[in-house]
Amino acid sequence: KAGVTQTPRYLIKTRGQQVTLSCSPISGHRSVSWYQQTPGQGLQFLFEYFSETQRNKGNFPGRFSGRQFSNSRSEMNVSTLELGDSALYLCASSSDGLNTEAFFGQGTRLTVV
Amino acid sequence: GQQLNQSPQSMFIQEGEDVSMNCTSSSIFNTWLWYKQDPGEGPVLLIALYKAGELTSNGRLTAQFGITRKDSFLNISASIPSDVGIYFCAGRPSYNTDKLIFGTGTRLQVFP
Repeated sequence: KAGVTQTPRYLIKTRGQQVTLSCSPISGHRSVSWYQQTPGQGLQFLFEYFSETQRNKGNFPGRFSGRQFSNSRSEMNVSTLELGDSALYLCASSSDGLNTEAFFGQGTRLTVV
Repeated sequence: GQQLNQSPQSMFIQEGEDVSMNCTSSSIFNTWLWYKQDPGEGPVLLIALYKAGELTSNGRLTAQFGITRKDSFLNISASIPSDVGIYFCAGRPSYNTDKLIFGTGTRLQVFP
């Protein structure tokens, strides 16, 4: 069974640009969550999608958005990038997200210059 | 956002020593998960716990779901250099079981 796949692994963008990150969950999993990880802030929850609907949302500005497709693949988008958006972005998949395990991808390292 | 209280923040130990770390919350949790993260990689699931009092092992790792359902601990026995990394606890609170809340992490350094 393939694991969680995130693309791209590394990305360098300029301030003001926008970026789209992709996450393919484990086959059969319908819940995808996104996290931002920075050295000083640990793992910060962005949002969670289940069956194409956003089910939970963290405390991030509206520049951070996401969506989920019918095949459970998910994308997150960050518009008007700021230097502080540089981080490791992780996605986690679980079967239904209710009292179940969550498995992470390798992450996308975003650097904003 | 909400985070679990995880301690210690960092540990520096000698190879062969045992390690213990824990996570506490003011809320009741239904699920506890323990992860290990290597630099630049995603967290890898080590152990999952689903019942109060449950004690589960994975090789040299042992984790327990606290009786009060507000805490969990992870023990590593006879540590080896490849145990180096950041260990995170995570839990699903009873008030919102589709949410996964993370601890602040324990950075483990093992010296030969």
